[in-house]
Amino acid sequence: DTAVSQTPKYLVTQMGNDKSIKCEQNLGHDTMYWYKQDSKKFLKIMFSYNNKELIINETVPNRFSPKSPDKAHLNLHINSLELGDSAVYFCASSPASRGNEQFFGPGTRLTVL
Amino acid sequence: DQQVKQNSPSLSVQEGRISILNCDYTNSMFDYFLWYKKYPAEGPTFLISISSIKDKNEDGRFTVFLNKSAKHLSLHIVPSQPGDSAVYFCAAYDNDMRFGAGTRLTVKP
Repeated sequence: DTAVSQTPKYLVTQMGNDKSIKCEQNLGHDTMYWYKQDSKKFLKIMFSYNNKELIINETVPNRFSPKSPDKAHLNLHINSLELGDSAVYFCASSPASRGNEQFFGPGTRLTVL
Repeated sequence: DQQVKQNSPSLSVQEGRISILNCDYTNSMFDYFLWYKKYPAEGPTFLISISSIKDKNEDGRFTVFLNKSAKHLSLHIVPSQPGDSAVYFCAAYDNDMRFGAGTRLTVKP
């Protein structure tokens, strides 16, 4: 019974395409996040979102947009994919009052050709 | 601007010995520190944490030490086991979570 799940696990696509990565959590958490693990293996926050507030890391291009259909889901949409978008993307969730207790999904490896 | 640094990309230890993973940070506003463990093809999983008001936290074989004056924390694993082989991420929290680049620990039988 996976707590935080992501689909797909692997995504290979061409430059210029638009793609989405889905994230679902069944922990009842109020806040969800997207992280990018770059080529140097650093995990960098992209977005944090709860039902009241979206916080965007200012370094994230506006081609990236999170969409939350409900509290349990935070999907990541990427428009006009570029080679540099190739990375592993992790979704995470936490209780609203304890943002330091984050549970991570298994990651989605995106490869842009 | 990496506020959390793990300067050793890898560490190899014999089974039964102590593993010491190190982490340095630059932001004195961090008030909570965590270690995550990551196996290949899986997301990071929480291992142990420490609040900035403490200097030590122990959980079984895992102990985290915090030296605020040096802005340094370390994770000790005693005794190390082959199943501990994974990548360990240090993280610091101040409204946002900041991660180090990770240290790959290999525990040899």
